[in-house]
Amino acid sequence: AAGVIQSPRHLIKEKRETATLKCYPIPRHDTVYWYQQGPGQDPQFLISFYEKMQSDKGSIPDRFSAQQFSDYHSELNMSSLELGDSALYFCASSLAGAEAGELFFGEGSRLTVL
Amino acid sequence: DQQVKQNSPSLSVQEGRISILNCDYTNSMFDYFLWYKKYPAEGPTFLISISSIKDKNEDGRFTVFLNKSAKHLSLHIVPSQPGDSAVYFCAASANTDKLIFGTGTRLQVFP
Repeated sequence: AAGVIQSPRHLIKEKRETATLKCYPIPRHDTVYWYQQGPGQDPQFLISFYEKMQSDKGSIPDRFSAQQFSDYHSELNMSSLELGDSALYFCASSLAGAEAGELFFGEGSRLTVL
Repeated sequence: DQQVKQNSPSLSVQEGRISILNCDYTNSMFDYFLWYKKYPAEGPTFLISISSIKDKNEDGRFTVFLNKSAKHLSLHIVPSQPGDSAVYFCAASANTDKLIFGTGTRLQVFP
């Protein structure tokens, strides 16, 4: 069965550069979540989208933005990168209203800022 | 093959009683375990965690138990409250690598 696809799996950038992470949800899933997990830290919720509209916002820096496109894939854009942005970024998808409320996570994109 | 399994998709508990959510894992390299809670239309939020060097971690009404030999962990909520009604996700990681999530258990606490 198809899972949540994240790309790239690994990304290395320098300070003040820009990075874009992509997330392709499971087919027919209409909700996407983004999480950031710093080294030795628990994943922190960043932002979520439902039907291409932002549905919830967590601790996402102003330098970051995200959107969900018509095909339901989502992109997380990070500008003016800082060393502290080095982390594992998870994307998850779900089908809103699904009875079990299942949430499926991708394997993450590891961003390293030098 | 799922490395983290939550075999009960749903659980219903009366207010004031104990809720026990279970999670099994297959990877013996996992050394850190977390529970996340998700309300409808919101992203999952961190609830409680436990390192493999411990067998119990308590935070208020929430206690997580880890049985390494059985590769099993559980979340106890005592006493359960209606506001605890949500979907609970178990997650695990090895050597601070990526988290592997279970598929969730929906808890409903009724008055």
